[in-house]
Amino acid sequence: EPEVTQTPSHQVTQMGQEVILRCVPISNHLYFYWYRQILGQKVEFLVSFYNNEISEKSEIFDDQFSVERPDGSNFTLKIRSTKLEDSAMYFCASTTSLAGADTQYFGPGTRLTVL
Amino acid sequence: AQSVTQLDSHVSVSEGTPVLLRCNYSSSYSPSLFWYVQHPNKGLQLLLKYTSAATLVKGINGFEAEFKKSETSFHLTKPSAHMSDAAEYFCVVRGDGGYNKLIFGAGTRLAVHP
Repeated sequence: EPEVTQTPSHQVTQMGQEVILRCVPISNHLYFYWYRQILGQKVEFLVSFYNNEISEKSEIFDDQFSVERPDGSNFTLKIRSTKLEDSAMYFCASTTSLAGADTQYFGPGTRLTVL
Repeated sequence: AQSVTQLDSHVSVSEGTPVLLRCNYSSSYSPSLFWYVQHPNKGLQLLLKYTSAATLVKGINGFEAEFKKSETSFHLTKPSAHMSDAAEYFCVVRGDGGYNKLIFGAGTRLAVHP
């Protein structure tokens, strides 16, 4: 069964450094998402992406964050200058359509630790 | 705005006994509701989803959920717990705005004892 993959599984970085989290969505999916889960807190929506554009973003997704789909298969989340509070599990998800209850398929996540 | 409240942060059951994980939702229109499960060090896996076709929804691994509009609830049940059911369970509602962002509850950690 097709699945969403994410790399790396763990990333440790120093505060102020740039990180890029990578995702490979399911191949025929058109809509892509990033979510994050800070330890002990809810899973939170960050951004949705369609047709090479951000379609919706949350208040969390400020100018430090960016997303792109550089080559038609990868979907990346970049954090330009990491802060301690960016430490979280980051999940990528994808779906085929925006039909009401269409399933979003999630990757296994990348655990980001900012020191 | 849409939201979900999971009424129990932890639930502990014995193997072979029923499981009930409670969820209440808030939505201004007919919601799309989901239950996802997260096993340790794994991603989020869809258990089941409510599509408005039937109020009793069957999912994987013997789980079911019943949509009750009058009670704004979408509780998850399983008749007989298995050790492998120990995990974190998330009740989720689809947000508005057209691009289907998901809004998660805080999660319920299910422990299953022998």
